[in-house]
Amino acid sequence: ETAVFQTPNYHVTQVGNEVSFNCKQTLGHDTMYWYKQDSKKLLKIMFSYNNKQLIVNETVPRRFSPQSSDKAHLNLRIKSVEPEDSAVYLCASSYWGGAYEQYFGPGTRLTVL
Amino acid sequence: GDSVTQTEGPVTVSESESLIINCTYSATSIAYPNLFWYVRYPGEGLQLLLKVITAGQKGSSRGFEATYNKETTSFHLQKASVQESDSAVYYCALGDRGSNAKLTFGKGTKLSVKS
Repeated sequence: ETAVFQTPNYHVTQVGNEVSFNCKQTLGHDTMYWYKQDSKKLLKIMFSYNNKQLIVNETVPRRFSPQSSDKAHLNLRIKSVEPEDSAVYLCASSYWGGAYEQYFGPGTRLTVL
Repeated sequence: GDSVTQTEGPVTVSESESLIINCTYSATSIAYPNLFWYVRYPGEGLQLLLKVITAGQKGSSRGFEATYNKETTSFHLQKASVQESDSAVYYCALGDRGSNAKLTFGKGTKLSVKS
């Protein structure tokens, strides 16, 4: 099956803990993204990678760090979570170039207690 | 910065009625904007509905249409006759033809179609 896969689906943790989310795409794309969807449903770009190179790093707190091992994988680590990190994190992929659509994974819902 | 503003939901319409969801954009850092409508059906992931990369062109899919109007910086989504299966959340998005480094999304419009 060709798609964008994310694990885990849900994660509940305490303030101060470290969490990691995984994303893998089997579509043969060369560009991957992390978006954050907050409680107001606003979807905002966090990072994008092209061929393992960081292209976009929006104003994201330093406790967030993306990790790309190859074109098909882009993970996200949050070093010390805070309550405002509670959100749905969406991974996406596409070919490089503005005319191509982005394909999204199902998302990881993070709840910080 | 770049931004997208769309109709605030929720929007409720009856089956077979017409629909328009407004979308306007501001592309301050993008010379050649690409415009997209994405949709999330209940229980499914976000997926592309239609896209237009050239000003003045119209995109269409599943009975929906949207025209890229550079003069009014708009990309409204329209359908002549909605069905219950169109119930979903619709997102207007702005991309950069030059880089595709990111998409800027509107806040989404939840549509409920009642039979």
